[in-house]
Amino acid sequence: NAGVMQNPRHLVRRRGQEARLRCSPMKGHSHVYWYRQLPEEGLKFMVYLQKENIIDESGMPKERFSAEFPKEGPSILRIQQVVRGDSAAYFCASSPQDRGNYGYTFGSGTRLTVV
Amino acid sequence: GQNIDQPTEMTATEGAIVQINCTYQTSGFNGLFWYQQHAGEAPTFLSYNVLDGLEEKGRFSSFLSRSKGYSYLLLKELQMKDSASYLCAGGGGSQGNLIFGKGTKLSVKP
Repeated sequence: NAGVMQNPRHLVRRRGQEARLRCSPMKGHSHVYWYRQLPEEGLKFMVYLQKENIIDESGMPKERFSAEFPKEGPSILRIQQVVRGDSAAYFCASSPQDRGNYGYTFGSGTRLTVV
Repeated sequence: GQNIDQPTEMTATEGAIVQINCTYQTSGFNGLFWYQQHAGEAPTFLSYNVLDGLEEKGRFSSFLSRSKGYSYLLLKELQMKDSASYLCAGGGGSQGNLIFGKGTKLSVKP
């Protein structure tokens, strides 16, 4: 039973380029969460999605960032016109419909470096 | 506001016991979670408390007091591989969203 799959594991982008981060939830999980972790900082919530729906995007920056979880395929976190401050580890987590007391299962993360 | 506080760093000796404290203020409460994160890796789930009291799981135990907004993670018989960051997380705004503390970096010395 594969866990949460994120790719790429490492991503280098020049300032102004676009970054696309992918996340495939665990089998049977219908809820996806994206978190960002800056060096020496805690995990910061960005967005919570179910299939074809954004449930909570209160942590998403107002510009340049978007997320989707289509009916088919992985969830995508898209960052347009990246800047140096976007360099961070981006973690995706998934949970079943009823999260209960199991919390999230996290993917291994995508480490974005903007040069 | 919503806030989760925990110490930044702790050091302990192999074989000893260490307690990592966490205080929280969240707008909603769906339980208190502890995660372990080794450097460069994903956080992994350790424990969950929703009722007051102590939950024991092998070498790791977690305690919750809802009236005090307080939790701790207790690690016994420390091993070198326990050197990691320990993240406290609590219920946030939406039903699924968790708010994380900045993590406590634990160093286990021989």
